[in-house]
Amino acid sequence: DTAVSQTPKYLVTQMGNDKSIKCEQNLGHDTMYWYKQDSKKFLKIMFSYNNKELIINETVPNRFSPKSPDKAHLNLHINSLELGDSAVYFCASSTRIEIQETQYFGPGTRLLVL
Amino acid sequence: AQKITQTQPGMFVQEKEAVTLDCTYDTSDPSYGLFWYKQPSSGEMIFLIYQGSYDQQNATEGRYSLNFQKARKSANLVISASQLGDSAMYFCAMREGQNFGNEKLTFGTGTRLTIIP
Repeated sequence: DTAVSQTPKYLVTQMGNDKSIKCEQNLGHDTMYWYKQDSKKFLKIMFSYNNKELIINETVPNRFSPKSPDKAHLNLHINSLELGDSAVYFCASSTRIEIQETQYFGPGTRLLVL
Repeated sequence: AQKITQTQPGMFVQEKEAVTLDCTYDTSDPSYGLFWYKQPSSGEMIFLIYQGSYDQQNATEGRYSLNFQKARKSANLVISASQLGDSAMYFCAMREGQNFGNEKLTFGTGTRLTIIP
């Protein structure tokens, strides 16, 4: 009964390959995100979707393309992988009810590009 | 300018003592939210506590409390009676604005807390 799940947990691949990371949330949240955590542990938002609509698109190379088939899923496809793409990618989902809000993260996908 | 500043890259605290992790923020938006997350060595991000900018009282969740000083723009996390399992990275984050669906979090650089037995 994991709230936010990601697959795969680990991804090791060669430079130039194309790969996808999947994310699913069963919390009924309307908004989902992709964050990137670099080797220095710094977390930065990449994208957010609200009800399948792209809301936030930070300055991310267009090799990264998110896709949201429905509001419970947000996948991340990466073309032509580069060494600098090695990082941990976190999916998250959020909701706001009255004054309380939460943003829950998935377990992360550790991507290593060789 | 940094939106979220965590000035303590690392802290060592004796078990059972209370610990305060510092966080200051910078925003001109009247509506914002402040979050604390814990990241143990296993890597997951665990939501700990939330404080809204309009909340009158400091947030508390079990052993965690948030010392919210709005005029000073600080949102320090206090962990009472620390345990060995509290050893982890702790991140402070801020959400600005109130447009639903646009609640991105801006994170600080984190504080690595080590609890000493």
